[in-house]
Amino acid sequence: NAGVTQTPKFQVLKTGQSMTLQCAQDMNHEYMSWYRQDPGMGLRLIHYSVGAGITDQGEVPNGYNVSRSTTEDFPLRLLSAAPSQTSVYFCASGEHPISEQYFGPGTRLTVT
Amino acid sequence: GESVGLHLPTLSVQEGDNSIINCAYSNSASDYFIWYKQESGKGPQFIIDIRSNMDKRQGQRVTVLLNKTVKHLSLQIAATQPGDSAVYFCAENIPGNQFYFGTGTSLTVIP
Repeated sequence: NAGVTQTPKFQVLKTGQSMTLQCAQDMNHEYMSWYRQDPGMGLRLIHYSVGAGITDQGEVPNGYNVSRSTTEDFPLRLLSAAPSQTSVYFCASGEHPISEQYFGPGTRLTVT
Repeated sequence: GESVGLHLPTLSVQEGDNSIINCAYSNSASDYFIWYKQESGKGPQFIIDIRSNMDKRQGQRVTVLLNKTVKHLSLQIAATQPGDSAVYFCAENIPGNQFYFGTGTSLTVIP
């Protein structure tokens, strides 16, 4: 049981480039979410999904897209990277929103 | 968005003492709360949760207290150990499938 996995661990992008951060879970959880964590701040919700085919915006969705074609995978797409998107990104999953959330190890993204 | 704040950004305690980490939340509709521990370079790790219909919940060496009257949450760690050194976050769930996190308290355990 791998839990929540994220790839890559580290990424450097130039302004304007696009990329996809991968997230997968093997616990058959319906609820998945993406957060970003900036220095001195807590985690802020970007997007979430309550099941395959259903996604919704969180607190800071601008500049990011998500899709949920399967229960296991929840990729996060950066459409046109900006320096303000330099952050550590965490994916999480849980049986449902009101339950323990399991976090992945994070992706550290730098945009130059 | 909703704010979830912590009273103290840093806390230092002697090994073996009890630690108390506080958290204030602003939305009276919040119905579920989680405490997370985050070690350097890792993702947050679940410690304990509590629903709004409870005042207290105990786990192994940890207790969470919820005071809905003043919208305050606390995490108590008994007999603090060096391995407890980390950043601790509280998170609240407001009905609507979203969690809001506090900014975190850094706990340092002095051997």
